[in-house]
Amino acid sequence: NAGVTQTPKFRILKIGQSMTLQCTQDMNHNYMYWYRQDPGMGLKLIYYSVGAGITDKGEVPNGYNVSRSTTEDFPLRLELAAPSQTSVYFCASSYSSTNTEAFFGQGTRLTVV
Amino acid sequence: EDQVTQSPEALRLQEGESSSLNCSYTVSGLRGLFWYRQDPGKGPEFLFTLYSAGEEKEKERLKATLTKKESFLHITAPKPEDSATYLCAVQEQGGSEKLVFGKGMKLTVNP
Repeated sequence: NAGVTQTPKFRILKIGQSMTLQCTQDMNHNYMYWYRQDPGMGLKLIYYSVGAGITDKGEVPNGYNVSRSTTEDFPLRLELAAPSQTSVYFCASSYSSTNTEAFFGQGTRLTVV
Repeated sequence: EDQVTQSPEALRLQEGESSSLNCSYTVSGLRGLFWYRQDPGKGPEFLFTLYSAGEEKEKERLKATLTKKESFLHITAPKPEDSATYLCAVQEQGGSEKLVFGKGMKLTVNP
């Protein structure tokens, strides 16, 4: 039972480069989320999706893009990486918004230099 | 103004020394309050959801309670394996899917 799987676990990017953080879940959850966690700060919602083909902005969406072509996958795209995007990124999923027992992945530690 | 404030930021306890963690929140209408545990290098792990004032939930040595302004996570006779960062989050009424997280509280339980 894999749950929520994120890849890669670590990545170093140069300023201006682009990359995609992968997230897949095997629980058939409708809701999926991307958060970032900075030291000493709470988790901040970047984007979320309530189902395949539907995405919406969270609290801090600038500099990121997402897509949701299947129930299982919810990749996060960083275009033109900036040092401010250095953070730990977590993907999460839940069955519904009223049952928000969200399951989190292990995280991707991204450093932009 | 932060919508979710956790205190203290860090807490050191001796094994067996019970204590409580506080999460105060300011939202116009609460849809749910959530407690998560996070171990170093890992993603948060769900503990509890509370929906209305007066509600209580328990899991092993942990008990979560909710009032109209705050939630407490009571830890009874903690063990070293309870050492972790505990996160509180709220979801506001109004249809938003956003969870607003506090900054977390790092608990260390010494043997």
